[in-house]
Amino acid sequence: TQLLEQSPQFLSIQEGENLTVYCNSSSVFSSLQWYRQEPGEGPVLLVTVVTGGEVKKLKRLTFQFGDARKDSSLHITAAQPGDTGLYLCAGARGGTASKLTFGTGTRLQVTL
Amino acid sequence: EPEVTQTPSHQVTQMGQEVILRCVPISNHLYFYWYRQILGQKVEFLVSFYNNEISEKSEIFDDQFSVERPDGSNFTLKIRSTKLEDSAMYFCASSEGATSNYGYTFGSGTRLTVV
Repeated sequence: TQLLEQSPQFLSIQEGENLTVYCNSSSVFSSLQWYRQEPGEGPVLLVTVVTGGEVKKLKRLTFQFGDARKDSSLHITAAQPGDTGLYLCAGARGGTASKLTFGTGTRLQVTL
Repeated sequence: EPEVTQTPSHQVTQMGQEVILRCVPISNHLYFYWYRQILGQKVEFLVSFYNNEISEKSEIFDDQFSVERPDGSNFTLKIRSTKLEDSAMYFCASSEGATSNYGYTFGSGTRLTVV
């Protein structure tokens, strides 16, 4: 069974602070995806990383895929209240329509 | 922006009844999925569907579950005889290409409550 552990589970920070969320597994994934989920809604895709060591930036968000393709991180610079939400990593093994294994989630709250 | 549409948004059903959850994926997407999320738990894979057949299914997706793409636009999940433990949010998703390279677009979900 492939598991993705996210840390921390909960994070409460003030506006303007930086933070990093980690997503770790003992399994190799062909790609890692990051989603954000609001209460009562479906996950919304933020980014897909497919190459070991890959770094992608999305405005204030920086995503990195580990060299061994077992882990990933999400770094947010100068967090804003609008960043509040549940962040999920999800790994794909490969194959045509293979499943995503979702992580345990990190709930972020950014206060003024 | 194209979106995945799910109906109904909420469904309450009695234990043992059949339910059909409906989804309209994004029109040019070829891969379709159902996931579920029990309250407070992780999002769990149920089934993937490509080229009019199931590609992969999880242990959760037993004989009580079935999927269908009846008319080229809708994608349905049927639960034949619901159990209390089937209560969850059910998410439909679609993707343009293979999972490794393409992210999913998820619908807003159907909240199923079995009483």
